[in-house]
Amino acid sequence: SQQGEEDPQALSIQEGENATMNCSYKTSINNLQWYRQNSGRGLVHLILIRSNEREKHSGRLRVTLDTSKKSSSLLITASRAADTASYFCATDAWGGGFKTIFGAGTRLFVKA
Amino acid sequence: NAGVTQTPKFQVLKTGQSMTLQCAQDMNHNSMYWYRQDPGMGLRLIYYSASEGTTDKGEVPNGYNVSRLNKREFSLRLESAAPSQTSVYFCASSEGGRDFQPQHFGDGTRLSIL
Repeated sequence: SQQGEEDPQALSIQEGENATMNCSYKTSINNLQWYRQNSGRGLVHLILIRSNEREKHSGRLRVTLDTSKKSSSLLITASRAADTASYFCATDAWGGGFKTIFGAGTRLFVKA
Repeated sequence: NAGVTQTPKFQVLKTGQSMTLQCAQDMNHNSMYWYRQDPGMGLRLIYYSASEGTTDKGEVPNGYNVSRLNKREFSLRLESAAPSQTSVYFCASSEGGRDFQPQHFGDGTRLSIL
């Protein structure tokens, strides 16, 4: 069963615009991570935010976490064509062993 | 520094055939994972190895076996391939421990079963 669900499923924007992707989950978590996947490649880690953090930045990326709403968002500012990829959230939780669960992803297309 | 290396990159099998997917990491990571990725479903965990000498089932272990050969290598075996196992398989590794750490992924093995 999947925990993280991304919204929207697909997003198309112009270069220079901001892109916002959302992730909702159902049960308590330890952390939430965001990954990027370029076509035909493996996932690349972007940011990890812990359950006691509310916001985190890395370059043009800003991640927020609202544990009361069980949701997170990933904002990419001033997007570039090279940002075209699929973006996945993954929730980490201890529950009878290791559990990191990936959502189905948001496909972002940035038009030059 | 190669990171996580998976072999082969592509494979076509007939139903009932067996094969082993290989994965090796050179980051001295303790934990290793096998996922499958199907269209529209994200990644699903098949098996993981929290440390050398241990393996545990993930969300979708049926039809698969794994071996943690040493700290570097973690293989996935399909004993009798079925069309439902057509997928892209990813191996990943992380430092491990009780504190979740980012995972590093290989570029995948694209497996088709006819």
